[in-house]
Parts: sequence; structure tokens; C-alpha cells
Amino acid sequence: KQEVTQIPAALSVPEGENLVLNCSFTDSAIYNLQWFRQDPGKGLTSLLLIQSSQREQTSGRLNASLDKSSGRSTLYIAASQPGDSATYLCAVSLNSNSGYALNFGKGTSLLVTP
Amino acid sequence: ETGVTQSPTHLIKTRGQQVTLRCSSQSGHNTVSWYQQALGQGPQFIFQYYREEENGRGNFPPRFSGLQFPNYSSELNVNALELDDSALYLCASSPGQASFYGYTFGSGTRLTVV
Repeated sequence: KQEVTQIPAALSVPEGENLVLNCSFTDSAIYNLQWFRQDPGKGLTSLLLIQSSQREQTSGRLNASLDKSSGRSTLYIAASQPGDSATYLCAVSLNSNSGYALNFGKGTSLLVTP
Repeated sequence: ETGVTQSPTHLIKTRGQQVTLRCSSQSGHNTVSWYQQALGQGPQFIFQYYREEENGRGNFPPRFSGLQFPNYSSELNVNALELDDSALYLCASSPGQASFYGYTFGSGTRLTVV
């Protein structure tokens, strides 16, 4: 069974700092990995999708890396802003008896203070 | 291009009742998945439908059932509601049963069972 762990569970930083969110998974035979953002009580917004054959993806101030062999991914946020405050979820997809279901971590709750 | 829409946004039901949640997939997407997210947890996979057939199921009891219609919209039905069914229910769609292009999520339905 795929286990996904996100560290830290919560993080508070002052505006302007660069930060790294960590995600680890136990089964390296993943199909791809997706990072999402979730605002309180809302749905999920996709940030970055990394295929199993890729090492990283970038979008604006966000950069996600993938090391499949070690079962790790990081989400790097540059020059953080108060609007970045949200919960960030990591999810891995693998072909299993459940189709290509996403396995989620519990998320990292980020607070960026002005 | 419209995204994934879910209805209703909020719902209150009594223990033992039945509930139906609805989801319209993003245009061009033929696969719909449903997830349950309890407070403070990551989403948990319920099941997935591809071209009107269930092709993956998570660890949920049979009282959780679903349908996908020819226009690829979907319903999640939950019978004999229990207090622990209180959660945010998320629908996600993708352009194929494999997740190569990632998943697009709706804003969710908040179900409260009293």
C-alpha cells in the first residue's frame, strides 16, 4: 500500500522567504506526482504535475522536483507572499487494483505573514 | 473551457438517510473520480469511472456507490449515512483512465451528518 508523508505538517514564514515543502512515498513505481493547493474549505487547485520520467517542473515561483528512486519530491516556493498561505498537498498516482487513483499526503499548512 | 462543477456545495443530513452528490466533469474529460476528505486529512480515494464503468475502487463499503452518465457527468450515492461520513467530497476528472494529464478537481460538497 502506498504511503505518502509530508513534512512539515505546518510552517510559518515571513513574507519574502524561500521555502521547501517535502513529500515522501513508499512505493517508487509511481506513474506521476502532482502538487495541489487547497484553501480552507475549498477544492484542490493543481500546481505542478511531474511524470515518472521527469526530474522537475517549474511554474512561476514554484519548482517541484522528483527523485523516484529515493521516493521523494520537494516543492520549492520562491519569494513567498501572504497569498501563498494555504495547505499544500502532494499526491502520487500508480497503476494498481484501484486504477490510477491518487494517494495523498496529509498536507503542509503554510502561513506567510506580512 | 468550464472546469469541474459539483452540487450542492453544502448539505446537512440525518444519520440513516441517503444522499446523492453530483459532478459535471471538465469538457473533454471522460474519467471521473471521487474522494472523501475528513477534516485535517488528505483526500481518500472512493472510486473511479471511465466511460460509464467503475474501473477502480478504494477501501469504502458498498453503501458508497456511483454512476457515470453518457455525457461523463457522475453521481455519488451514500446509503445509511453515518456520523463519520461527514466530510468534504471531492470530484476530479481527467481526459483518460490513466492520469497522464493529471486530475482537475471541483470545489467539493461539504456533507454534515447529524
